[in-house]
Amino acid sequence: DQQVKQNSPSLSVQEGRISILNCDYTNSMFDYFLWYKKYPAEGPTFLISISSIKDKNEDGRFTVFLNKSAKHLSLHIVPSQPGDSAVYFCAGGETSGSRLTFGEGTQLTVNP
Amino acid sequence: IAGITQAPTSQILAAGRRMTLRCTQDMRHNAMYWYRQDLGLGLRLIHYSNTAGTTGKGEVPDGYSVSRANTDDFPLTLASAVPSQTSVYFCASSRLHGADTQYFGPGTRLTVL
Repeated sequence: DQQVKQNSPSLSVQEGRISILNCDYTNSMFDYFLWYKKYPAEGPTFLISISSIKDKNEDGRFTVFLNKSAKHLSLHIVPSQPGDSAVYFCAGGETSGSRLTFGEGTQLTVNP
Repeated sequence: IAGITQAPTSQILAAGRRMTLRCTQDMRHNAMYWYRQDLGLGLRLIHYSNTAGTTGKGEVPDGYSVSRANTDDFPLTLASAVPSQTSVYFCASSRLHGADTQYFGPGTRLTVL
């Protein structure tokens, strides 16, 4: 039972354009969501998070949108830069729980 | 501040051997986690610990054991390694358990032949 799904294994965009990474979840108890970025041979690093009491959170070039009714979140990167090329994982969890559940990851490639 | 360190960086192991992956954090975080990353499967939780002295099973605990004798250390042991345990292993920690930001170590690449 894959509670968090990232249906696009890869995404390629041009430098300067918008990157949109998508994530769907099935567990209605999840009330906190995070995005992580992972470069090869490194551990994942935290990027941005959102609580279910919000529908949008912004940090510089990164914005996360949450649609609770659709159980869908997305990460927007504007403008995309070649250094953004990495694997992006979304994760969901319950504030009162013990763990996060991660998606499969999406490989983003930003072409110069 | 080192954050989270893992050792070894990589290891090649014969099937049937015992192996302990080490993880140490210096952030005084209460919760710690072990994940494995496999292509197309993302990060899957093996075991976790909400606080020193307690542990719990994640999604894929079979063949692995953990202990949490103190706040800083969270070793992962493979009692008798099998080829399907070939993976990249990440340790993580968070200040609180549950939906809190987790901070990851650099990973251990394990190959079981």
